[in-house]
Amino acid sequence: DVKVTQSSRYLVKRTGEKVFLECVQDMDHENMFWYRQDPGLGLRLIYFSYDVKMKEKGDIPEGYSVSREKKERFSLILESASTNQTSMYLCASKRTGGNQPQHFGDGTRLSIL
Amino acid sequence: GQQVMQIPQYQHVQEGEDFTTYCNSSTTLSNIQWYKQRPGGHPVFLIQLVKSGEVKKQKRLTFQFGEAKKNSSLHITATQTTDVGTYFCAGRDNNDMRFGAGTRLTVKP
Repeated sequence: DVKVTQSSRYLVKRTGEKVFLECVQDMDHENMFWYRQDPGLGLRLIYFSYDVKMKEKGDIPEGYSVSREKKERFSLILESASTNQTSMYLCASKRTGGNQPQHFGDGTRLSIL
Repeated sequence: GQQVMQIPQYQHVQEGEDFTTYCNSSTTLSNIQWYKQRPGGHPVFLIQLVKSGEVKKQKRLTFQFGEAKKNSSLHITATQTTDVGTYFCAGRDNNDMRFGAGTRLTVKP
């Protein structure tokens, strides 16, 4: 079974802090994704990566950056956290190929105070 | 860009009633995937539809892909309390996949 592990289930940070969310997958998947999930808005794509050191902006990249130094790890960075970034963050991975499903981590519920 | 609209946003049913959620895309899709997220859990892949007019069944769940490949539906017959959760569609347009907002289903025993 694919395992996608997010480093924290719950996280509380303060406005202006630099925040790191980590995601690791164990199935050698080429593609990795970061979403945020908000009530009524579903899953919105922040960034994705289709290979090591490669990254592409999703629909809502503002205020975020990412890092993919190793194939198994995809990090989401909030450069200067703001209260409107309080949300549930979901990481996902998949094999290359349009018909491949995405496998999700358990999510990180981030609160910015 | 591509948009995937999903309705309804919420649906509350009595156990034993049927349930349907609909997805509509602004563009023609190459495929559509359906996911289920249980309360407190993460989205889990259910099924994928690829062909125009395709219909697939998983026990009480029936998935359809429209003839024009712009819409899809998930129908649950005789809901059970184990069906509660949020159902998402995700449509692929060229290389982009976009999720619908999800339909949250609650079931009254």
